[in-house]
Amino acid sequence: KNEVEQSPQNLTAQEGEFITINCSYSVGISALHWLQQHPGGGIVSLFMLSSGKKKHGRLIATINIQEKHSSLHITASHPRDSAVYICAVGTGNQFYFGTGTSLTVIP
Amino acid sequence: DTAVSQTPKYLVTQMGNDKSIKCEQNLGHDTMYWYKQDSKKFLKIMFSYNNKELIINETVPNRFSPKSPDKAHLNLHINSLELGDSAVYFCASSQDRAGTRSTNEQFFGPGTRLTVL
Repeated sequence: KNEVEQSPQNLTAQEGEFITINCSYSVGISALHWLQQHPGGGIVSLFMLSSGKKKHGRLIATINIQEKHSSLHITASHPRDSAVYICAVGTGNQFYFGTGTSLTVIP
Repeated sequence: DTAVSQTPKYLVTQMGNDKSIKCEQNLGHDTMYWYKQDSKKFLKIMFSYNNKELIINETVPNRFSPKSPDKAHLNLHINSLELGDSAVYFCASSQDRAGTRSTNEQFFGPGTRLTVL
């Protein structure tokens, strides 16, 4: 069983829709990361969280340490948001990745 | 200027060969990483170096050896390449050690697609 589970695995949305991607983890963590991998392969770090909530433009990330759960929300989704979103957790010297959520936003 | 650069971008080689992938970061970060992304797009950490010292060494074959000549560079040497080594390898860097509570957003290189024939 993977230490980090994401859902859904694949997601198709219409432009403008509100999107939520979920991440659950089973280990004690010191930080959780949300990464975005574009169709061309490049990886960008979106957020690093250890508590609460962060917002950057149309993206919002939340984390509940007690429930070991994080969500990534995209408001007013756009085709350029189409990418794979990866949740990763750091536990001291270890680092674990989810399998990613492939998002396609249709115009 | 590119923050984290990797060379080469593509590498095609025969089984049994020895190859290296280079990584350089110009961000002044203390920690650098190597990740492997397999054909199913699953990312896995391989190594992490903090100030030229190894701090994470996941269960990878000892055919893989990281070399950090200085804290701005972390090169990956692979000996006796096997078919299963075919993957995309990403280098990354962060200001502080992975998993700590300090600011450690990671910056990724563009990746090196290795194909072993």
